[in-house]
Amino acid sequence: DSGVTQTPKHLITATGQRVTLRCSPRSGDLSVYWYQQSLDQGLQFLIQYYNGEERAKGNILERFSAQQFPDLHSELNLSSLELGDSALYFCASSVGGGYQPQHFGDGTRLSIL
Amino acid sequence: AQTVTQSQPEMSVQEAETVTLSCTYDTSESDYYLFWYKQPPSRQMILVIRQEAYKQQNATENRFSVNFQKAAKSFSLKISDSQLGDAAMYFCAYRSAYGSEKLVFGKGTKLTVNP
Repeated sequence: DSGVTQTPKHLITATGQRVTLRCSPRSGDLSVYWYQQSLDQGLQFLIQYYNGEERAKGNILERFSAQQFPDLHSELNLSSLELGDSALYFCASSVGGGYQPQHFGDGTRLSIL
Repeated sequence: AQTVTQSQPEMSVQEAETVTLSCTYDTSESDYYLFWYKQPPSRQMILVIRQEAYKQQNATENRFSVNFQKAAKSFSLKISDSQLGDAAMYFCAYRSAYGSEKLVFGKGTKLTVNP
């Protein structure tokens, strides 16, 4: 158990819809990272938050947004969903910086029908 | 931009034998961190081992060790005394010591362990 909690584990929805993925980091971790894992793109970094502030942005579509709340949990919002958004979405957390590893949650499997 | 290449899409090993998974990376930076993550069928991403670029000594974690060749930009993972539970996808990842803390992953190597 990594200590990172992601909900829901599975999500099935239709094109055009909007969903919210939730992540609770490990106790004491200030940084939250979101990654997308798909068959064609592999594992790709989407966005990082550190203590409530956006720290880095990767290949995140404009239809996607994220935030980190004062209690440090984070949400990833995906809107106007397309078939190609079907993927496994991981949240990871770390204390931030240096040699510290990122600890991953179990992921949310998003299926677009 | 940094890239990570895992040239072996699939590997297999007999139980109790040793296997080495390859990873090369491309970067112009001098300081960075390298990681190996394991993803079993349960789909969790589990940290296996990590290496800091400025440390010449190769990292070791029980049956897992790395061969880090900085000049060659190579970071291979050796699994000794392979066990059935080692069967998984293995991902090599790079993280810069400057700026963004994002992990850049390779495409992965699927390891099968035969009894």
